[in-house]
Amino acid sequence: NAGVTQTPKFQVLKTGQSMTLQCAQDMNHNSMYWYRQDPGMGLRLIYYSASEGTTDKGEVPNGYNVSRLNKREFSLRLESAAPSQTSVYFCASSSGTVQYEQYFGPGTRLTVT
Amino acid sequence: GQQVMQIPQYQHVQEGEDFTTYCNSSTTLSNIQWYKQRPGGHPVFLIQLVKSGEVKKQKRLTFQFGEAKKNSSLHITATQTTDVGTYFCAGPQGGSEKLVFGKGTKLTVNP
Repeated sequence: NAGVTQTPKFQVLKTGQSMTLQCAQDMNHNSMYWYRQDPGMGLRLIYYSASEGTTDKGEVPNGYNVSRLNKREFSLRLESAAPSQTSVYFCASSSGTVQYEQYFGPGTRLTVT
Repeated sequence: GQQVMQIPQYQHVQEGEDFTTYCNSSTTLSNIQWYKQRPGGHPVFLIQLVKSGEVKKQKRLTFQFGEAKKNSSLHITATQTTDVGTYFCAGPQGGSEKLVFGKGTKLTVNP
């Protein structure tokens, strides 16, 4: 039982490049989330998916797109990376929404130069 | 929009001292959750409080939910070096499906 897995662990991009961050969970959870964490800013929600086939914007969605490929997988895409997107990205999942605990993946450390 | 504030932002203690972090919401919360993130790690769920005035204990950690369900606290008795990390509170955003996290309190412990 791996929990929540994320790939890659580290990534360096040049401004304007694109990439997709992958996330998968094996806990049969309905809800999945993408957060970014910047120093002193805590965790900020980018997008979330309450169930397979649905997605919704969080606090900081600009510059990102998401795909809930199936119940297990939730990907985050940066179409044209900018230095302001340098951050640590965490994927999380939960059985339901706000009344359920969230399980986080190990994170992806992204640097945009 | 809803805000979840945490104080202090940083706390440095000597091993064996007590530690408390406070969480305040601008709106009434249906529940509040606490997470711990070790340096270089990911957030890990600690506990959820639901009832007004609720108090829960986990060994040396005591969690409280305020009577008005707008504030919460985490108290650690006799800190140890294993307590090092950042502690976050999080509450639901209004009637939505989103959790709003506080900015966290970073605890360092001097052995």
